[in-house]
Amino acid sequence: DAGVIQSPRHEVTEMGQEVTLRCKPISGHNSLFWYRQTMMRGLELLIYFNNNVPIDDSGMPEDRFSAKMPNASFSTLKIQPSEPRDSAVYFCASSRTGQGVDTGELFFGEGSRLTVL
Amino acid sequence: EDQVTQSPEALRLQEGESSSLNCSYTVSGLRGLFWYRQDPGKGPEFLFTLYSAGEEKEKERLKATLTKKESFLHITAPKPEDSATYLCAPRGVQGAQKLVFGQGTRLTINP
Repeated sequence: DAGVIQSPRHEVTEMGQEVTLRCKPISGHNSLFWYRQTMMRGLELLIYFNNNVPIDDSGMPEDRFSAKMPNASFSTLKIQPSEPRDSAVYFCASSRTGQGVDTGELFFGEGSRLTVL
Repeated sequence: EDQVTQSPEALRLQEGESSSLNCSYTVSGLRGLFWYRQDPGKGPEFLFTLYSAGEEKEKERLKATLTKKESFLHITAPKPEDSATYLCAPRGVQGAQKLVFGQGTRLTINP
């Protein structure tokens, strides 16, 4: 079974440009999480969805960041406009919850490394 | 606010030299303490979940234990392939499904 798939794996862009990161969760998983990882701040939760509905976006740094989940098999994280301080590795993770199932185990993708010049 | 601190930040051991990693947490209504392993260039990979004080879980050379304020990851006779960053993440009542990750301990096992 394929794991969480993220694209692109690497993105280099210039300040002010729009960046879109994509994620395909594991089939059958109904929760999706976007994390950001930097050396200084570690792994931070940005937003998570249950059944395609955003539940907690308190980690989204500012209005330049937005996330959508139009269906159970696809999510995007958009940064517009991008800034150098957005440079980080962005991880998507999915899990299966509800109906008595909630191990809390997250399955992570391999990440999208973003560099904003 | 939920808080988690891991120590040490980095640890170098010789192959076969056992040690422990620490995860101290302050969480309202703990609903699980999670350990993950992260290899360079990869996403974190789940290792264990502990739910109550006194609980222990083992996997190969790793054993995780939990108290009301701390969790330890004991590594017995480690091998070079155990080199990775180990992350802990408590989950509290208020956070629902939210995991707050510590900064991690970067473990290096020298052959």
